[in-house]
Amino acid sequence: GAGVSQSPSNKVTEKGKDVELRCDPISGHTALYWYRQSLGQGLEFLIYFQGNSAPDKSGLPSDRFSAERTGGSVSTLTIQRTQQEDSAVYLCASSLIPAASSGNTIYFGEGSWLTVV
Amino acid sequence: AQKVTQAQTEISVVEKEDVTLDCVYETRDTTYYLFWYKQPPSGELVFLIRRNSFDEQNEISGRYSWNFQKSTSSFNFTITASQVVDSAVYFCALSDVSGNTPLVFGKGTRLSVIA
Repeated sequence: GAGVSQSPSNKVTEKGKDVELRCDPISGHTALYWYRQSLGQGLEFLIYFQGNSAPDKSGLPSDRFSAERTGGSVSTLTIQRTQQEDSAVYLCASSLIPAASSGNTIYFGEGSWLTVV
Repeated sequence: AQKVTQAQTEISVVEKEDVTLDCVYETRDTTYYLFWYKQPPSGELVFLIRRNSFDEQNEISGRYSWNFQKSTSSFNFTITASQVVDSAVYFCALSDVSGNTPLVFGKGTRLSVIA
């Protein structure tokens, strides 16, 4: 597609259940990012993929969070044993890995709104 | 460490007023990129501008203008003659030039333009 696509757009889940959030980046973009935006908060970095590898996992808040990317394209963010504090918008973004002179413009999807009840 | 501060949490203006959104950043890098994104109620972040730290010229795009001042580590964003459709959360962000690290975002400024 033309833009970054995320699914589901909305998810309500019961505390303790696992959820999977999917991101389909812009075709040809090798870098993929996951961010989290809690109510009234800024954007919190979670994880970054370059191709299928994740050089930076520093933002994952706990071991209940994991992510993978296959085929250098689609990524899945999995949250196990969800807690109420996991409720947030999970934003995916993608970018080319350009030469340093051309910058790092990142394009975001519309987000997956997760509510844990 | 890199840090972006948007001190204004919320701003309300009346339509047609000009409004400036402040952004102050911290970085040890000598070269870096600065960004502004708009997040309308739909939730998607919309890219507005990327500025290279080498280029301190101000930029104007229609009703939008950006004032980059390296001496004060600021990258402020002005909307002239604001419109209701400008209502959104605006994020300032910073990255290094390698392309291998994530953008660091400020907490955002919620702008409400009242008709």
